[in-house]
Amino acid sequence: KAGVTQTPRYLIKTRGQQVTLSCSPISGHRSVSWYQQTPGQGLQFLFEYFSETQRNKGNFPGRFSGRQFSNSRSEMNVSTLELGDSALYLCASSKLAGEKFFGPGTRLTVL
Amino acid sequence: AQTVTQSQPEMSVQEAETVTLSCTYDTSESDYYLFWYKQPPSRQMILVIRQEAYKQQNATENRFSVNFQKAAKSFSLKISDSQLGDAAMYFCAQEVLFYGGSQGNLIFGKGTKLSVKP
Repeated sequence: KAGVTQTPRYLIKTRGQQVTLSCSPISGHRSVSWYQQTPGQGLQFLFEYFSETQRNKGNFPGRFSGRQFSNSRSEMNVSTLELGDSALYLCASSKLAGEKFFGPGTRLTVL
Repeated sequence: AQTVTQSQPEMSVQEAETVTLSCTYDTSESDYYLFWYKQPPSRQMILVIRQEAYKQQNATENRFSVNFQKAAKSFSLKISDSQLGDAAMYFCAQEVLFYGGSQGNLIFGKGTKLSVKP
């Protein structure tokens, strides 16, 4: 069974631009959640989608948004990028509670 | 609010020896999962072991085992017969379940960097 895939793996943007990251969950998994990892703040929860509905949201500004499609694939968007948005963005998929599997992440660098 | 604390930023162990990583958590919920994730330099987050809060028996996965003390809200990871491939960041995490048992999000500790000496 294929694992969680994330595209692109690396991304370089400049301040003020916007970016879209994609996550394809494991087949059969309907929940997709996103996490931001930085050296200073560690791993922080962004949001979680289940069957195309956002069920839970972390404490991030409105510049961070996401969506989920009918095939469970998810995208997250960051508008008006700031230097502090530079991070590793991890996506996790799950079918049941207690079973979150992570993708390899997208490394975003904002210049 | 739920919190997860890892008090050891770095640990070191000799190959073939045993090491224990500490984790404490805080929650008022009764239904949750606890996890240890491993993140090697490749950055791929790998699930090492998980524990359901309602289970008294400590989880084990080959060389990895946990000491789950629910009353003390402690969840330590023991790695036996340490191998060079065990070198990585280890994150303790908690998943508090929504009402009805549906899954919630993960709350992570800051991590412990484990070095393994040959």
